[in-house]
Amino acid sequence: GEDVEQSLFLSVREGDSSVINCTYTDSSSTYLYWYKQEPGAGLQLLTYIFSNMDMKQDQRLTVLLNKKDKHLSLRIADTQTGDSAIYFCAEIPPGGYQKVTFGIGTKLQVIP
Amino acid sequence: EAQVTQNPRYLITVTGKKLTVTCSQNMNHEYMSWYRQDPGLGLRQIYYSMNVEVTDKGDVPEGYKVSRKEKRNFPLILESPSPNQTSLYFCASRQYSGGHQETQYFGPGTRLLVL
Repeated sequence: GEDVEQSLFLSVREGDSSVINCTYTDSSSTYLYWYKQEPGAGLQLLTYIFSNMDMKQDQRLTVLLNKKDKHLSLRIADTQTGDSAIYFCAEIPPGGYQKVTFGIGTKLQVIP
Repeated sequence: EAQVTQNPRYLITVTGKKLTVTCSQNMNHEYMSWYRQDPGLGLRQIYYSMNVEVTDKGDVPEGYKVSRKEKRNFPLILESPSPNQTSLYFCASRQYSGGHQETQYFGPGTRLLVL
């Protein structure tokens, strides 16, 4: 079945770039997502990329997709203390409305 | 304001006492789903619904039921709760609008403790 893996923890200094990585197993995945969860809150969809794309940029966020290696990354430029949160990647298989598989989340700590 | 609401936000109950967690969205989204979040396991999908009267199992459906009688509501039912269902539950809605555009919203979560 589908499996999504992420590292558990990342610490960066304020102003630096953060890169959060994710690997997935389903090569036929249609959409790959990044979510942010702040303490005590629900998840917020940050961005997503369709499987026929290699890169997507949205303000300070850049998503890179390496389909050959089944590797997804989220780069946050000029990381701020407000970016401290847990970041989840997720995949949805072809069809678009089926099961969603999440990674376990990467906790990003931004040091002032 | 677009939102997904869940009630209750916090619940302490005892084993075997039936409970329902409500979920409602005001965006006319077709797709809704329930997740549970547990430490070290991330989010796991319990059930999802692609439209009214259309529901299907996610990865961890055992011990749960859902219904989708109207588009806006998607309640999660625990007929006989057990301690292993102690968790943080999230409801979410999603709409794909074509051209690789979609919107998603998550509820604020329901923290459930089953004694």
